[in-house]
Amino acid sequence: AQSVTQPDIHITVSEGASLELRCNYSYGATPYLFWYVQSPGQGLQLLLKYFSGDTLVQGIKGFEAEFKRSQSSFNLRKPSVHWSDAAEYFCAVGAGSGGGADGLTFGKGTHLIIQP
Amino acid sequence: DAGVIQSPRHEVTEMGQEVTLRCKPISGHNSLFWYRQTMMRGLELLIYFNNNVPIDDSGMPEDRFSAKMPNASFSTLKIQPSEPRDSAVYFCASSSADRVHQPQHFGDGTRLSIL
Repeated sequence: AQSVTQPDIHITVSEGASLELRCNYSYGATPYLFWYVQSPGQGLQLLLKYFSGDTLVQGIKGFEAEFKRSQSSFNLRKPSVHWSDAAEYFCAVGAGSGGGADGLTFGKGTHLIIQP
Repeated sequence: DAGVIQSPRHEVTEMGQEVTLRCKPISGHNSLFWYRQTMMRGLELLIYFNNNVPIDDSGMPEDRFSAKMPNASFSTLKIQPSEPRDSAVYFCASSSADRVHQPQHFGDGTRLSIL
């Protein structure tokens, strides 16, 4: 069975500083990986996805993530955060055809706090 | 385009009552997923459907939970009888299983409180 670990429950970053959120996965085959963001009282919005090919994937809102098979990691990065980036971030792994036909396994989330 | 639509957004009811959560997937999507989010357990997959057929319900916590998808545009998640430990946010998501590399799109959730 697959699993996802997000080691950081909370992260505080100053506005304008760079950001990296960590994600480690466990899955026996080629994983399909996702990052979602959740604002308070809202659903989950897809930031980016990795299925195959280039290991550095670009997403919305200036986010990117890098898939490193040797480290079983899929860390999320942003060069300069904005106050509006404060939210809960979830890493997820999917099986089968890439999450479209199979359920996702989520990490517990990282709560991002932006300080002025 | 309309996203995944869930209703109600909030539900407060007393223990023992029947609760029905509703979901309308994105038009054209043929996979539908129900997730539950709690502080203790995070986001958990409860059940999912492909082409209206339940594929995996191993995440449904107890027989008190049931889900149906009578047609491609509607699904329900029912809890009967409800208990305080069922309090959570329930999310519905949809995707296209016919096209490769398609992510899931989530609704805004139903926040359920069982008193």
